[in-house]
Order: sequence, then C-alpha cells, then structure tokens
Amino acid sequence: QVQLVQSGAEVKEPGASVKVSCKASGYTFTSYDITWVRQAPGQGLEWMGWVGTYSAKTNYAQRLQGRVTMTTDTSTSTAYMELRSLRSDDTAFYYCARGGASTSSGLDYWGQGTLVTVSS
Amino acid sequence: QSVLTQPPSVSGAPGQRVTISCTGSSSNIGAGYSVHWYQQLLGTGPKLLIYGNTNRPSGVPDRFSGSKSGTSASLAITGLQAEDEGDYYCQSYDSSLSAGVFGGGTKLTVL
Repeated sequence: QVQLVQSGAEVKEPGASVKVSCKASGYTFTSYDITWVRQAPGQGLEWMGWVGTYSAKTNYAQRLQGRVTMTTDTSTSTAYMELRSLRSDDTAFYYCARGGASTSSGLDYWGQGTLVTVSS
Repeated sequence: QSVLTQPPSVSGAPGQRVTISCTGSSSNIGAGYSVHWYQQLLGTGPKLLIYGNTNRPSGVPDRFSGSKSGTSASLAITGLQAEDEGDYYCQSYDSSLSAGVFGGGTKLTVL
C-alpha cells in the first residue's frame, strides 16, 4: 500500500532552519512528483512547491523563493523540504503529498503531517 | 486572499444536497487546468475527494461529485451525513504564477 511517512515534530527558534523528511513506500518513487503543502493553525492549505523525483526539477511558491529547498534521495525514496530563516508565521503543519501541481490526478496520497513550531 | 475563491461556509440538514463553488480565472480553471477537491475532517490531514474535475478515487462514495464550467468548478454532496462535516478545498494550477493554487476552504456544517 502507498505510504508517505514524515519525520517528527520540530521546535525551532526564529532565524533557524528546519528540514522535514517524507519517506515513500508502496510504489515506484520516481514515477510521481512530490508536492509540499503547509497549513498554519486554524488556516487553509498553502501550496509550497513541488520536486520532480525523476528530474529533480523544482518549482517553489513565489513567497517562499530564496528560503525553501526541496530535494529527493532516490536511493531511499525520501523527499526533503528545508525552510530557512524561520519566522513565527512559519509555524504550521507541513505535509508532503504524491503528485505534481499541473497533473490531472491531484495529490492522491498525503503524509501524516509534521508540526513545525517557531518560537523563542 | 486566495487565487481560487470558495464560500467560507455552507450548511445543510442530514439527507440534503449542498454545493460548494470554486471560482478562478482565465489563468487557472479557465485555462483548462484540472480542478481537484480535498476533504479535511477535524484533526486529520487532507484527503483527495475528486480529481480531474469529475473523477472519484476508489473508496469515495458516489454521493460526492464534481463539475467544471468556464472559470468555475463545483463540488456537490448529496444525502448529507454527519460524518461529512469538515473543511473542503479546491485546487488547480495557475499558469501566471506557475504554481499550484488552493481555494481558501469551505467549512461544511451538518445541522
């Protein structure tokens, strides 16, 4: 069965960096892109960007450009999302999901979410 | 505000039909990009409900249906059940942003 398992919750100080992992299983990792989505407490979903698992191409949301990096390790079927220069408004659940932004199949499987708390 | 516009809330009694609209523009829904819908129940992550405008993933009841016309899309839920209560989001791709976009979400209350 398809599964995306994310790393555990993180607490970071403002200005620090966080790296969240997303380990895929149950399918051929390089056949689907990985998209990252975040959700601040009580707020809606925000598309952060996607990474091509075969091409390693990336596409990031404009508001996160320069602070976010999405990568993959095909040897372990794991995707990573690193966010730098953290601010308090980066406090959110971070989700990885299988699929790209412009596909016709949507984001069909999601990780369980990783809570990142930014606080001094 | 979100690129895709959804009503903040809708409600209906058990057994009734409700619809949730998702209004975009010529650079996203109107450009022919697919619309997808996600359901998020309280305390859980999002779940794909409708993909490619009208298709249901395996396991999603046929009480849920999607449609698209012009620059808008809609999600219809018939035979409302208490377990349907939660947040619903539409999602598409925007060519001017070169990015995926979500609607602001709609909270469904079953009265």
